[in-house]
Amino acid sequence: DSGVTQTPKHLITATGQRVTLRCSPRSGDLSVYWYQQSLDQGLQFLIQYYNGEERAKGNILERFSAQQFPDLHSELNLSSLELGDSALYFCASSIRGQITEAFFGQGTRLTVV
Amino acid sequence: GENVEQHPSTLSVQEGDSAVIKCTYSDSASNYFPWYKQELGKGPQLIIDIRSNVGEKKDQRIAVTLNKTAKHFSLHITETQPEDSAVYFCAAILNSGGYQKVTFGTGTKLQVIP
Repeated sequence: DSGVTQTPKHLITATGQRVTLRCSPRSGDLSVYWYQQSLDQGLQFLIQYYNGEERAKGNILERFSAQQFPDLHSELNLSSLELGDSALYFCASSIRGQITEAFFGQGTRLTVV
Repeated sequence: GENVEQHPSTLSVQEGDSAVIKCTYSDSASNYFPWYKQELGKGPQLIIDIRSNVGEKKDQRIAVTLNKTAKHFSLHITETQPEDSAVYFCAAILNSGGYQKVTFGTGTKLQVIP
């Protein structure tokens, strides 16, 4: 157990809908990272937050957004969902803002039907 | 942008044999190269990494080598065990001050046959 908690573990929704994925980082970690893992695109870095502020942006679509709250938990919002958004979404956290020190959660499996 | 190619996509070895996974990258500015192990139903876990100013790093049965000139790096697992069976990902990271960019390889599914 990495200490990073993601909810829900599984999510099934219809095209066009909006969902919110939640991540609670390890105790003491200030930085949160979001990744998408799909059969088509592989593992991709989406976005990073550090102490509530956006730190780095990767291949995140405009339909997706994220934020990190004062208690350091983070949410990834996915809207206007398409079939191709079906994937595993991982959250990772680290004490500082170094991506190389991040621990991954077990992921949320999103299925868009 | 950075492009990371990883080979092979699948690899089967007998228990006790060695396994080698190779990655090539395109952006010479990338300066950090981690390897991750992902077991079924779990998130990726960092197993070893190497910085661009180092040619080789070893941690027990796992080693990583880096050839900056050729822009390729490899993961070596010796004396493989069934619990080494997993998907392994390489990554190339550009880490400059507050700026970080990470590109992953496509993964290698390693099966260790008892």
